[in-house]
Amino acid sequence: AQSVSQHNHHVILSEAASLELGCNYSYGGTVNLFWYVQYPGQHLQLLLKYFSGDPLVKGIKGFEAEFIKSKFSFNLRKPSVQWSDTAEYFCAVGGTSYGKLTFGQGTILTVHP
Amino acid sequence: GAVVSQHPSRVICKSGTSVKIECRSLDFQATTMFWYRQFPKQSLMLMATSNEGSKATYEQGVEKDKFLINHASLTLSTLTVTSAHPEDSSFYICSARDDSGDSYNEQFFGPGTRLTVL
Repeated sequence: AQSVSQHNHHVILSEAASLELGCNYSYGGTVNLFWYVQYPGQHLQLLLKYFSGDPLVKGIKGFEAEFIKSKFSFNLRKPSVQWSDTAEYFCAVGGTSYGKLTFGQGTILTVHP
Repeated sequence: GAVVSQHPSRVICKSGTSVKIECRSLDFQATTMFWYRQFPKQSLMLMATSNEGSKATYEQGVEKDKFLINHASLTLSTLTVTSAHPEDSSFYICSARDDSGDSYNEQFFGPGTRLTVL
């Protein structure tokens, strides 16, 4: 069975600090990887995705993630966070079949101005 | 971008009644939609996959007779919580997968429905 583990439940940073959120997955097969963000009071939005090709994926709002197959990881990074990045971030894994996703537990990011 | 709506956004009902939640893809067709449940401070748990024109596929441990899913058209899926009880209180979220091909395997999420059973 597939599973996703996010290392941190709550991360607190000051503006301009660098961010890295960990995500490890377990999946038996070709995998598609996603990071979603949920801003307070809003629905889930896609930040970035990896299907194949370059393992360094760039998403919206300056976020990027690196797929490291040997480590079963897909960590999310941003060089300099802003107060507006305060949100909950979910890593998700899906197969190449019909799109069923398994989500990690989520990481709450709080950025202080 | 692709938009998914849910109705209602909040519902309060008495124990024993049934509640229907609608999920609509507003500007794209979705053969496949998904229903999730999110508990407080926890992640999304996939309940079932809704397929237009065929029966839904339920995840292990999800009672199909309690959570009835109907995917009536390429833009509408409904989840009916039958004989609701307080333990069914939760945040229910749907997602829809764009059939166009450009967004293969990408799901677009609705805003969620907060169900409270008294």
